[in-house]
Amino acid sequence: DVKVTQSSRYLVKRTGEKVFLECVQDMDHENMFWYRQDPGLGLRLIYFSYDVKMKEKGDIPEGYSVSREKKERFSLILESASTNQTSMYLCASSSLVLQAGHEQFFGPGTRLTVL
Amino acid sequence: KQEVTQIPAALSVPEGENLVLNCSFTDSAIYNLQWFRQDPGKGLTSLLLIQSSQREQTSGRLNASLDKSSGRSTLYIAASQPGDSATYLCAPNDYKLSFGAGTTVTVRA
Repeated sequence: DVKVTQSSRYLVKRTGEKVFLECVQDMDHENMFWYRQDPGLGLRLIYFSYDVKMKEKGDIPEGYSVSREKKERFSLILESASTNQTSMYLCASSSLVLQAGHEQFFGPGTRLTVL
Repeated sequence: KQEVTQIPAALSVPEGENLVLNCSFTDSAIYNLQWFRQDPGKGLTSLLLIQSSQREQTSGRLNASLDKSSGRSTLYIAASQPGDSATYLCAPNDYKLSFGAGTTVTVRA
């Protein structure tokens, strides 16, 4: 079974802190994604990566950066956390192999609260 | 930009009824479409993946259809159970997933 894990289920940080959210997948997937989910706004794509050291902006990249130094790990960085970044953050991964159908598998999510 | 609409927004049914959840999307140039289930406060569980070349996909009591040309997909859940209570999300995939707001299902025992 594909497993996507996220470093924390719940996180509380203060405004202005630098925050790291970590995601690890164990299926050798090329693609990895970061989403945030907010009531009334649904899931929105922040950044994605299709290879090590490669990254692409999603729909809402402002205030975030990412790092992918190893294939299995994709980090989301909030350089200076703000209260409007309080949200549920979800990581996902998928394979580039055609037969795998690009199916995305999600982690359990990190609920981040910025005070 | 892909726009995804799910109807109805919420559904409450007695146990045993069949469920029909609708999804429409604006851009038909997709690789596939995924249906997900989300329980409160949890991540997303992939239920079904329909490739763009397929018309339908089945898994147990779940059946999903896809009409790519008209931008529609429907998820059918047969003989609903209280454990089916959750939010169901559809997501067409044009390399990135775009999500609808979901349909929140309550199955009453």
